[in-house]
Amino acid sequence: KAGVTQTPRYLIKTRGQQVTLSCSPISGHRSVSWYQQTPGQGLQFLFEYFSETQRNKGNFPGRFSGRQFSNSRSEMNVSTLELGDSALYLCASSLAWYNRTDTQYFGPGTRLTVL
Amino acid sequence: EDKVVQSPLSLVVHEGDTVTLNCSYEVTNFRSLLWYKQEKKAPTFLFMLTSSGIEKKSGRLSSILDKKELFSILNITATQTGDSAIYLCAATPYSGAGSYQLTFGKGTKLSVIP
Repeated sequence: KAGVTQTPRYLIKTRGQQVTLSCSPISGHRSVSWYQQTPGQGLQFLFEYFSETQRNKGNFPGRFSGRQFSNSRSEMNVSTLELGDSALYLCASSLAWYNRTDTQYFGPGTRLTVL
Repeated sequence: EDKVVQSPLSLVVHEGDTVTLNCSYEVTNFRSLLWYKQEKKAPTFLFMLTSSGIEKKSGRLSSILDKKELFSILNITATQTGDSAIYLCAATPYSGAGSYQLTFGKGTKLSVIP
């Protein structure tokens, strides 16, 4: 069974640009969550999608947005990039919220560098 | 605000040593606590703990949860250089329909030297 895949793996952008990251969950998983990981803040929750609906959102500005498609693939978008957005962006998938014993499996991440 | 605190933040041991990593949490409507190992990129799942006092084991790794004192420990016996990694602890609450949010600690960086 293929794991969670994320594209691209590395990305370099300049301030003010926007970026779109993609995540394909494990086959059969319908919940996708996004996290930002930086050395200073560690792993922080961005948002979670299930059945194409955003179910929860972390404490990030509106420049961070996402969506989920009918095949459960998800994208996140960051507009008007700032230097502080440089981070590893991790996507995680799980079966569904109603399975109380499931867990999240992480993809390899996208390393975003903002210059 | 939900909070997870791990200690120590870093640890250097020799091969063969036994280590104990700590994780305390304050989560409203707590559901479960998870441990992950992160070596380069993707955190890999180790354990999920939902019940107090029941030890989970996988090879040289074991973990237990204390829901009364709100903490968990991860033990690694007979450490090997391949155990060098950042160990992440995360807690998740029960919430309304369709939400699964992990609150992570900052991690413990374990270095095992030969």
